[in-house]
Amino acid sequence: DTGVSQDPRHKITKRGQNVTFRCDPISEHNRLYWYRQTLGQGPEFLTYFQNEAQLEKSRLLSDRFSAERPKGSFSTLEIQRTEQGDSAMYLCASSLGSATNEKLFFGSGTQLSVL
Amino acid sequence: GEDVEQSLFLSVREGDSSVINCTYTDSSSTYLYWYKQEPGAGLQLLTYIFSNMDMKQDQRLTVLLNKKDKHLSLRIADTQTGDSAIYFCAEGYGGATNKLIFGTGTLLAVQP
Repeated sequence: DTGVSQDPRHKITKRGQNVTFRCDPISEHNRLYWYRQTLGQGPEFLTYFQNEAQLEKSRLLSDRFSAERPKGSFSTLEIQRTEQGDSAMYLCASSLGSATNEKLFFGSGTQLSVL
Repeated sequence: GEDVEQSLFLSVREGDSSVINCTYTDSSSTYLYWYKQEPGAGLQLLTYIFSNMDMKQDQRLTVLLNKKDKHLSLRIADTQTGDSAIYFCAEGYGGATNKLIFGTGTLLAVQP
């Protein structure tokens, strides 16, 4: 069990550029979540995958955001035409998703700074 | 609606007990969680409690749940300087998604 890993740890980009983040969940976990955390706030839910299916998206997820989990393993989160308001920590979490095990494990996050 | 509230800051002396409080509004939550976040790091799951339980103890951690008042607390016994961090409570709804709704976090400062 190597935990949830996210790449990159930090990303600095100019406004208008596209960025992509990657998340590798714990290997046997079929559920994968993306959250966003801004300074001084708790994480906010963005989207959720059960295996490769994206089953829920928050209204926070504008059209510029897209997430994929093509083979039900790793996931990517892409932000197009970044804006300064997108600056935040993007956290990925995974869980086994069984009825008796609802523990979500988080990665260390990707800190995005949009200049 | 979904709303989770926590006090912003708590300061304790090393060796004392810390009690971090949380209130939530949605009684349909299935699980309630406590996470710890150190500077620049992700969230570490500390413990969680099923909504039909009143109390859960795990080594130095004790979670109390008052479902009637929608109040959750985390007690840390014999607080150490390494416990200094931000603590988040979160409610989860189980089922198909189990997305978590987080509070704003409580910064715990442990004085030596």
